[in-house]
Amino acid sequence: NAGVMQNPRHLVRRRGQEARLRCSPMKGHSHVYWYRQLPEEGLKFMVYLQKENIIDESGMPKERFSAEFPKEGPSILRIQQVVRGDSAAYFCASSQGTGRIEAFFGQGTRLTVV
Amino acid sequence: DQQVKQNSPSLSVQEGRISILNCDYTNSMFDYFLWYKKYPAEGPTFLISISSIKDKNEDGRFTVFLNKSAKHLSLHIVPSQPGDSAVYFCAASQGYQKVTFGTGTKLQVIP
Repeated sequence: NAGVMQNPRHLVRRRGQEARLRCSPMKGHSHVYWYRQLPEEGLKFMVYLQKENIIDESGMPKERFSAEFPKEGPSILRIQQVVRGDSAAYFCASSQGTGRIEAFFGQGTRLTVV
Repeated sequence: DQQVKQNSPSLSVQEGRISILNCDYTNSMFDYFLWYKKYPAEGPTFLISISSIKDKNEDGRFTVFLNKSAKHLSLHIVPSQPGDSAVYFCAASQGYQKVTFGTGTKLQVIP
Protein backbone atom coordinates (compact mmCIF):
# COMPACT_ATOMS: atom_id res chain seq x y z
CA ASN A 1 0.00 0.00 0.00
CA ALA A 2 1.82 3.04 -1.27
CA GLY A 3 1.98 6.07 0.96
CA VAL A 4 0.99 9.59 0.05
CA MET A 5 2.77 10.50 -3.16
CA GLN A 6 3.67 14.05 -3.98
CA ASN A 7 5.28 15.27 -7.15
CA PRO A 8 7.41 16.87 -8.08
CA ARG A 9 9.72 16.75 -5.06
CA HIS A 10 11.42 19.93 -6.17
CA LEU A 11 9.99 22.64 -8.36
CA VAL A 12 11.70 25.80 -9.56
CA ARG A 13 9.62 28.57 -11.07
CA ARG A 14 10.38 32.09 -12.19
CA ARG A 15 8.35 34.92 -10.78
CA GLY A 16 5.05 35.20 -12.60
CA GLN A 17 4.89 31.56 -13.68
CA GLU A 18 2.38 29.00 -12.48
CA ALA A 19 3.18 26.17 -10.09
CA ARG A 20 1.18 22.93 -9.97
CA LEU A 21 1.74 20.57 -7.10
CA ARG A 22 0.23 17.10 -7.19
CA CYS A 23 -0.78 14.80 -4.39
CA SER A 24 -2.04 11.23 -4.65
CA PRO A 25 -3.53 10.13 -1.31
CA MET A 26 -3.09 6.74 0.22
CA LYS A 27 -5.36 4.06 -1.15
CA GLY A 28 -8.72 4.21 0.57
CA HIS A 29 -8.25 7.77 1.80
CA SER A 30 -10.80 10.31 0.67
CA HIS A 31 -9.63 13.32 2.66
CA VAL A 32 -6.72 15.48 1.60
CA TYR A 33 -5.04 18.34 3.41
CA TRP A 34 -2.45 20.78 2.14
CA TYR A 35 0.03 22.46 4.47
CA ARG A 36 2.80 24.95 3.87
CA GLN A 37 6.01 25.22 5.82
CA LEU A 38 7.92 28.44 5.40
CA PRO A 39 11.59 28.53 6.40
CA GLU A 40 12.01 28.42 10.18
CA GLU A 41 8.26 28.11 10.72
CA GLY A 42 5.82 25.35 11.54
CA LEU A 43 3.20 23.75 9.37
CA LYS A 44 0.43 26.09 8.33
CA PHE A 45 -2.90 24.65 7.28
CA MET A 46 -4.02 25.74 3.83
CA VAL A 47 -6.97 23.68 2.67
CA TYR A 48 -8.95 20.55 3.43
CA LEU A 49 -10.67 18.69 0.61
CA GLN A 50 -12.77 15.65 0.06
CA LYS A 51 -13.46 14.21 -3.36
CA GLU A 52 -14.87 17.02 -5.51
CA ASN A 53 -15.46 19.24 -2.47
CA ILE A 54 -13.53 21.92 -0.66
CA ILE A 55 -14.39 21.52 3.01
CA ASP A 56 -12.23 24.22 4.57
CA GLU A 57 -10.04 26.69 2.72
CA SER A 58 -9.57 29.12 5.57
CA GLY A 59 -5.77 28.89 5.30
CA MET A 60 -5.57 29.62 1.61
CA PRO A 61 -4.42 33.05 0.47
CA LYS A 62 -7.32 34.83 -1.16
CA GLU A 63 -5.60 35.34 -4.48
CA ARG A 64 -3.49 33.22 -6.80
CA PHE A 65 -3.96 29.96 -4.83
CA SER A 66 -6.48 27.26 -5.63
CA ALA A 67 -6.91 23.60 -4.88
CA GLU A 68 -8.96 20.75 -6.21
CA PHE A 69 -9.48 17.08 -5.57
CA PRO A 70 -11.34 15.65 -8.55
CA LYS A 71 -13.30 12.45 -8.62
CA GLU A 72 -10.48 10.83 -10.55
CA GLY A 73 -6.84 11.67 -10.24
CA PRO A 74 -4.65 13.45 -7.74
CA SER A 75 -5.33 16.54 -5.73
CA ILE A 76 -3.77 19.64 -7.26
CA LEU A 77 -2.55 22.76 -5.50
CA ARG A 78 -2.18 25.52 -8.04
CA ILE A 79 -0.32 28.76 -7.51
CA GLN A 80 -0.64 31.35 -10.22
CA GLN A 81 1.82 34.17 -10.85
CA VAL A 82 4.24 32.95 -8.21
CA VAL A 83 6.26 35.40 -6.15
CA ARG A 84 9.41 34.89 -4.10
CA GLY A 85 7.36 34.70 -0.91
CA ASP A 86 5.68 31.52 -2.19
CA SER A 87 8.98 29.66 -1.82
CA ALA A 88 8.29 26.99 0.78
CA ALA A 89 7.80 23.30 1.34
CA TYR A 90 4.25 22.22 0.56
CA PHE A 91 3.02 19.08 2.25
CA CYS A 92 0.00 17.04 1.42
CA ALA A 93 -1.61 14.65 3.89
CA SER A 94 -4.46 12.21 3.56
CA SER A 95 -6.72 10.46 5.98
CA GLN A 96 -9.66 8.08 5.99
CA GLY A 97 -11.72 10.79 7.60
CA THR A 98 -13.86 8.43 9.59
CA GLY A 99 -12.79 6.71 12.78
CA ARG A 100 -9.05 7.19 12.50
CA ILE A 101 -8.09 10.73 11.70
CA GLU A 102 -4.35 10.38 11.85
CA ALA A 103 -3.20 11.99 8.65
CA PHE A 104 -0.36 10.50 6.70
CA PHE A 105 1.96 12.92 5.00
CA GLY A 106 3.79 12.88 1.73
CA GLN A 107 7.41 13.89 1.46
CA GLY A 108 6.52 17.34 0.29
CA THR A 109 7.23 19.53 -2.70
CA ARG A 110 9.87 22.17 -2.23
CA LEU A 111 8.98 25.17 -4.35
CA THR A 112 11.66 27.69 -5.14
CA VAL A 113 10.74 30.89 -6.91
CA VAL A 114 13.64 32.63 -8.62
CA ASP B 1 -4.31 33.22 15.99
CA GLN B 2 -2.07 30.38 17.08
CA GLN B 3 -4.45 27.84 18.59
CA VAL B 4 -1.75 25.26 19.23
CA LYS B 5 1.45 26.52 20.79
CA GLN B 6 4.81 24.96 21.36
CA ASN B 7 6.72 27.55 23.30
CA SER B 8 10.08 25.79 23.27
CA PRO B 9 11.61 25.92 19.81
CA SER B 10 14.41 23.57 20.82
CA LEU B 11 15.40 21.06 23.48
CA SER B 12 18.64 19.18 24.16
CA VAL B 13 18.69 15.98 26.19
CA GLN B 14 21.35 13.44 27.02
CA GLU B 15 20.94 9.96 25.59
CA GLY B 16 19.13 7.70 28.04
CA ARG B 17 17.40 10.55 29.85
CA ILE B 18 13.80 11.61 29.53
CA SER B 19 12.68 14.12 26.88
CA ILE B 20 9.60 16.15 27.70
CA LEU B 21 8.00 18.18 24.94
CA ASN B 22 5.19 20.52 25.85
CA CYS B 23 2.21 21.89 24.00
CA ASP B 24 -0.61 24.26 24.92
CA TYR B 25 -3.85 24.88 23.09
CA THR B 26 -6.53 27.51 23.32
CA ASN B 27 -9.53 25.96 21.56
CA SER B 28 -11.58 24.04 24.11
CA MET B 29 -13.44 22.32 21.27
CA PHE B 30 -10.40 20.29 20.28
CA ASP B 31 -11.09 16.66 21.11
CA TYR B 32 -8.22 14.79 19.54
CA PHE B 33 -4.51 15.45 19.87
CA LEU B 34 -1.57 14.09 17.95
CA TRP B 35 2.19 14.24 17.90
CA TYR B 36 4.18 14.08 14.69
CA LYS B 37 7.89 13.70 14.18
CA LYS B 38 9.71 15.25 11.25
CA TYR B 39 13.17 14.72 9.87
CA PRO B 40 14.72 17.28 7.50
CA ALA B 41 13.53 17.02 3.89
CA GLU B 42 10.83 14.50 4.83
CA GLY B 43 7.15 14.74 5.59
CA PRO B 44 5.89 14.54 9.18
CA THR B 45 5.33 11.04 10.52
CA PHE B 46 2.52 10.25 12.92
CA LEU B 47 3.83 9.22 16.33
CA ILE B 48 1.09 8.97 18.92
CA SER B 49 -2.36 10.38 19.62
CA ILE B 50 -4.79 10.83 22.47
CA SER B 51 -8.50 11.41 22.67
CA SER B 52 -9.90 14.05 24.99
CA ILE B 53 -11.66 11.34 27.00
CA LYS B 54 -8.28 10.06 28.16
CA ASP B 55 -5.48 11.64 30.10
CA LYS B 56 -2.68 9.30 29.12
CA ASN B 57 -1.68 7.14 26.20
CA GLU B 58 1.44 5.06 26.03
CA ASP B 59 3.23 3.40 23.13
CA GLY B 60 6.60 1.92 23.88
CA ARG B 61 9.01 4.68 24.80
CA PHE B 62 6.45 7.38 24.01
CA THR B 63 3.76 8.60 26.37
CA VAL B 64 1.39 11.48 25.81
CA PHE B 65 -0.30 13.18 28.76
CA LEU B 66 -3.35 15.40 28.43
CA ASN B 67 -4.48 17.93 31.03
CA LYS B 68 -7.76 19.29 29.71
CA SER B 69 -8.32 21.78 32.52
CA ALA B 70 -4.97 23.37 31.76
CA LYS B 71 -5.31 22.86 27.99
CA HIS B 72 -1.90 21.31 28.03
CA LEU B 73 -0.38 18.17 26.66
CA SER B 74 3.07 16.75 26.77
CA LEU B 75 5.06 14.03 25.07
CA HIS B 76 7.51 12.02 27.13
CA ILE B 77 10.22 9.99 25.49
CA VAL B 78 12.12 7.65 27.74
CA PRO B 79 14.83 6.61 27.34
CA SER B 80 15.80 9.15 24.69
CA GLN B 81 17.92 7.88 21.81
CA PRO B 82 20.00 9.76 19.23
CA GLY B 83 17.60 8.61 16.51
CA ASP B 84 14.87 10.58 18.26
CA SER B 85 16.57 13.82 17.19
CA ALA B 86 14.00 15.54 15.00
CA VAL B 87 11.37 18.26 15.02
CA TYR B 88 8.26 17.30 16.95
CA PHE B 89 4.92 18.85 16.10
CA CYS B 90 1.94 18.88 18.38
CA ALA B 91 -1.41 18.91 16.59
CA ALA B 92 -5.08 19.06 17.49
CA SER B 93 -8.42 18.63 15.80
CA GLN B 94 -12.11 18.97 16.45
CA GLY B 95 -14.05 16.00 15.23
CA TYR B 96 -12.96 15.11 11.72
CA GLN B 97 -12.05 18.63 10.82
CA LYS B 98 -8.66 19.96 9.84
CA VAL B 99 -5.67 19.24 12.01
CA THR B 100 -4.05 22.35 13.45
CA PHE B 101 -0.33 22.15 14.08
CA GLY B 102 1.97 23.88 16.48
CA THR B 103 5.22 25.45 15.34
CA GLY B 104 7.38 22.52 16.40
CA THR B 105 10.13 21.76 18.89
CA LYS B 106 13.51 20.65 17.66
CA LEU B 107 14.81 17.85 19.87
CA GLN B 108 18.48 17.01 19.95
CA VAL B 109 19.52 13.89 21.81
CA ILE B 110 23.18 14.02 22.65
CA PRO B 111 25.06 10.70 22.66
